Amino acid sequence: QVQLQQSGAELAKPGSSVKISCKASGYTFTSYYISWIKQTTGQGLEYIGYINTGSGGTNYNEKFKGKATLTVDKSSSTAFMQLSSLTPDDSAVYYCARGLYYSPGAYWGQGTLVTVSS
Amino acid sequence: DIQMTQSPSSLPASLGDRVTITCRASQDIGNYLRWFQQKPGKSPRLMIYGATNLAAGVPSRFSGSRSGSDYSLTINSLESEDMAIYYCLQHNEYPPTFGGGTKLELK
Repeated sequence: QVQLQQSGAELAKPGSSVKISCKASGYTFTSYYISWIKQTTGQGLEYIGYINTGSGGTNYNEKFKGKATLTVDKSSSTAFMQLSSLTPDDSAVYYCARGLYYSPGAYWGQGTLVTVSS
Repeated sequence: DIQMTQSPSSLPASLGDRVTITCRASQDIGNYLRWFQQKPGKSPRLMIYGATNLAAGVPSRFSGSRSGSDYSLTINSLESEDMAIYYCLQHNEYPPTFGGGTKLELK
């Protein structure tokens, strides 16, 4: 069955970076894009961007350019998102989701909580 | 970016009720509209795609409709397991944007 398994919760200091992983199984990894979504209590759900898992091409929401960097390791069917120059506003649950293009579909990871605090 | 205005933000209802949640798009999105259900501590679950199509495994008491730029999710005969937050998502134009969410709770 299709699964997206995300890495565990992160506690990071302001100014640092974190890298979250999303390991796919149960399907041909390169046949679907991976999108990343941010969820906070205040801002709800925000779309960060997507990666073409076949070519490695990326497209970011303008709001997250410079904040998020999406990469992929096809050999391990894993997508990654690095968040840099962290501030408390980056504290959120981050989800990866599978889609045919940039649209998050039926399969999501379980979410990764990132907490930014000194 | 396309704005999705979702209403109401909170919806108290009783078991057995028929409820409707609406999203209004700030621009034309065609039928590129999805509805998600999210329960506490869980990932969003796809309920409706293409504005009106039921996703796999979703009970038939859920339905989606469109009237112009207004998109609705209707739940007939509400059950306790339906208590959750519901979000719409437009994916006609990049970046995809979500509605603000509707918290469906027991009256």
